[in-house]
Amino acid sequence: KAGVTQTPRYLIKTRGQQVTLSCSPISGHRSVSWYQQTPGQGLQFLFEYFSETQRNKGNFPGRFSGRQFSNSRSEMNVSTLELGDSALYLCASSLALGKMETQYFGPGTRLLVL
Amino acid sequence: SQQGEEDPQALSIQEGENATMNCSYKTSINNLQWYRQNSGRGLVHLILIRSNEREKHSGRLRVTLDTSKKSSSLLITASRAADTASYFCATVMDTGRRALTFGSGTRLQVQP
Repeated sequence: KAGVTQTPRYLIKTRGQQVTLSCSPISGHRSVSWYQQTPGQGLQFLFEYFSETQRNKGNFPGRFSGRQFSNSRSEMNVSTLELGDSALYLCASSLALGKMETQYFGPGTRLLVL
Repeated sequence: SQQGEEDPQALSIQEGENATMNCSYKTSINNLQWYRQNSGRGLVHLILIRSNEREKHSGRLRVTLDTSKKSSSLLITASRAADTASYFCATVMDTGRRALTFGSGTRLQVQP
């Protein structure tokens, strides 16, 4: 079974631009979560999607948004990029059974904002 | 914000030695998970322990959970150079909220 894939793997943007990151979950997984990893703040939860609906949201500004498609693929968008948005963005998928169980992470998208 | 802290922040040992990492958290949990990350890549799930469990084993890994102290430990026995990575604990709170709250991580270096 193929793992979680994320595209692109690396991205360079300038302040004020917007960016869209993509995540394809493991086949059969219906829950997709997004996390931001920075040296200063560590790993932080952004949001979780299930059946095209955002079920949970972390403490991030509205510039961070996402969506999920009917095939469970997910995208996250960051508008009006700031230098502090430079980070590794990780996507994780799971079967979505009950409480949050084992998450399967993708390799991440490394975003650099100049 | 992070749920808790891990210690030590960094650990350097020789191959064959055991490595112990500790994690503390702040709120009631449903389960606690340990993940490994190699050089800023994706996270790999290692083991999950539920709040009603006290100890769990998986290969060379042993995890303990003390809910009264809100702490967990990960023991890697007979370490190998390939175990060199960052290790994170992550908690799922007992509120139904489907999100992992990560600790700050321990960087483990295993010298060959």
